[in-house]
Amino acid sequence: RKEVEQDPGPFNVPEGATVAFNCTYSNSASQSFFWYRQDCRKEPKLLMSVYSSGNEDGRFTAQLNRASQYISLLIRDSKLSDSATYLCVVNQENTGNQFYFGTGTSLTVIP
Amino acid sequence: DAGVTQSPTHLIKTRGQHVTLRCSPISGHKSVSWYQQVLGQGPQFIFQYYEKEERGRGNFPDRFSARQFPNYSSELNVNALLLGDSALYLCASRRGGSGGYTFGSGTRLTVV
Repeated sequence: RKEVEQDPGPFNVPEGATVAFNCTYSNSASQSFFWYRQDCRKEPKLLMSVYSSGNEDGRFTAQLNRASQYISLLIRDSKLSDSATYLCVVNQENTGNQFYFGTGTSLTVIP
Repeated sequence: DAGVTQSPTHLIKTRGQHVTLRCSPISGHKSVSWYQQVLGQGPQFIFQYYEKEERGRGNFPDRFSARQFPNYSSELNVNALLLGDSALYLCASRRGGSGGYTFGSGTRLTVV
């Protein structure tokens, strides 16, 4: 079983739409969680950390449910510039501080 | 401030050869990690170094090795290259032992 599972998509949404990505992780000992964004043939860039209380950064909202081992990312009012692959990341500090990446969810925002 | 820098940006090697990839972390960052990313997949963890000591190793063969220098820069070495080693190799750094990593733009290795 993979450490992190994501729906690969692709998600094709019109500008202004709201889109949600989900991610599950297998190890309940996982301690920190992140969403990264990766543009085609570029490096991943940190979008936001994910906290149990939920956190928001502008149009982006991240949620963590430890009981269900589930992470989500909500993007409101999608922009063309949001088109990218979104990677769910789980950090397990008790296994050498490994970052486990999901395979990524592809988003294309259509004019 | 300069971000994470990696060299070279692109590299073509022949099967059986050896390769060394280099990474300079952001100034003040003491933790460096290496990842391999093949097309269509998320990055896979190879190594983590903190304060010049190996703190984590992913599920990669012994052909892969790394080290971190006193100035916190790092090298990833791969021996006896295989075609399947063709990938984007990413280096990432962070200040301490927690928080998100900042990635370099990677070295694209092609093994022919």
